[in-house]
Amino acid sequence: AQSVTQLDSQVPVFEEAPVELRCNYSSSVSVYLFWYVQYPNQGLQLLLKYLSGSTLVESINGFEAEFNKSQTSFHLRKPSVHISDTAEYFCAVKGRYGQNFVFGPGTRLSVLP
Amino acid sequence: DVKVTQSSRYLVKRTGEKVFLECVQDMDHENMFWYRQDPGLGLRLIYFSYDVKMKEKGDIPEGYSVSREKKERFSLILESASTNQTSMYLCASSARLAGNNEQFFGPGTRLTVL
Repeated sequence: AQSVTQLDSQVPVFEEAPVELRCNYSSSVSVYLFWYVQYPNQGLQLLLKYLSGSTLVESINGFEAEFNKSQTSFHLRKPSVHISDTAEYFCAVKGRYGQNFVFGPGTRLSVLP
Repeated sequence: DVKVTQSSRYLVKRTGEKVFLECVQDMDHENMFWYRQDPGLGLRLIYFSYDVKMKEKGDIPEGYSVSREKKERFSLILESASTNQTSMYLCASSARLAGNNEQFFGPGTRLTVL
């Protein structure tokens, strides 16, 4: 079984400042890791994912996340946020041979002008 | 453009009513899922289905049932709605391939039970 922890329920940050959203997981098997984003009144969209290979993965809109196996973490970062990044972000884990995802409780990112 | 659609964006029902939430995907995915989303709790899995006419309980199936008569459609049923079922309901689908199959989500149905 897997579990996901997102310690920060809300993160306010000023526009153009850097941000890090934390995600830690636990699992007895090898996993794939995902970050999903949910904009207001919308469903979830995949932001980025770690499957294998390079531990640093990037999205097309400037976010990146690094898989750290020893710390069982998959923190999401962006060096300079925009107002349009305001959304809720969910970290998720999936066992390599399973079909189901386990989602964290989410972090609400608010970018302030 | 791949799509998961849900029959209603907003729904208001009365306690005791039978409620149907419909989800349709056009990606020929084998797997379909129903989640509820509540503040501070993230997404919790209600039911999932790996194939037509198959269903499996998720983490919180009490008070819900599902139906999958066709591959593209997965229905969530609240037999007798209660106020504690007021929530955002999200449908998702994924391909069966083991491993890196991401889930694709619908826009959600916000259900209010009065």
